[in-house]
Amino acid sequence: EAGVAQSPRYKIIEKRQSVAFWCNPISGHATLYWYQQILGQGPKLLIQFQNNGVVDDSQLPKDRFSAERLKGVDSTLKIQPAKLEDSAVYLCASSLVGDREGQSRTFGSGTRLTVV
Amino acid sequence: SQQGEEDPQALSIQEGENATMNCSYKTSINNLQWYRQNSGRGLVHLILIRSNEREKHSGRLRVTLDTSKKSSSLLITASRAADTASYFCATGHTGRRALTFGSGTRLQVQP
Repeated sequence: EAGVAQSPRYKIIEKRQSVAFWCNPISGHATLYWYQQILGQGPKLLIQFQNNGVVDDSQLPKDRFSAERLKGVDSTLKIQPAKLEDSAVYLCASSLVGDREGQSRTFGSGTRLTVV
Repeated sequence: SQQGEEDPQALSIQEGENATMNCSYKTSINNLQWYRQNSGRGLVHLILIRSNEREKHSGRLRVTLDTSKKSSSLLITASRAADTASYFCATGHTGRRALTFGSGTRLQVQP
């Protein structure tokens, strides 16, 4: 089966600019996650979608980050305006159903963002 | 904040040796998962152990869970250079929606 696709692979922007990341989950996976992984740390959940509805966005900095999942398939994550501390790898993951006990995630390769 | 904390932070061994990584957590869980991340790549799910299980095997991997000590260990037997990666534990908690990842153990297997 095809994996989770993400683009772009790398992005370098100046602070205060905007950036958007795209994710295409595994076909049929209802749940989609965006994670932020700062160098040397584990992934931190930013937002979780169940189909096209938001399940958990408690750790999303909503003043600058936004995400959508139109039609319950692809998703985009946007940062506007970017700050230096947003430099990280942004990982998209998907799973078959919601966050029930025993659900593992399939991750994409991520987008490495550098804000200068 | 991150729930699971891996120990050691870094581990270097020779090919053929066993590698043991530990994970400690603070609150009750309903499952614990281990993931591997190769440099510059996404995470790959390795194994899941439920709170009512004590040990699980998958190929060269062995995971144990001690809920009384709130800890888990991942053992990789007969390590290979290809096992070089970062390993993360992630805990699933009753009532919480999100898996919580630790900071990882960076494993280096010398050929």
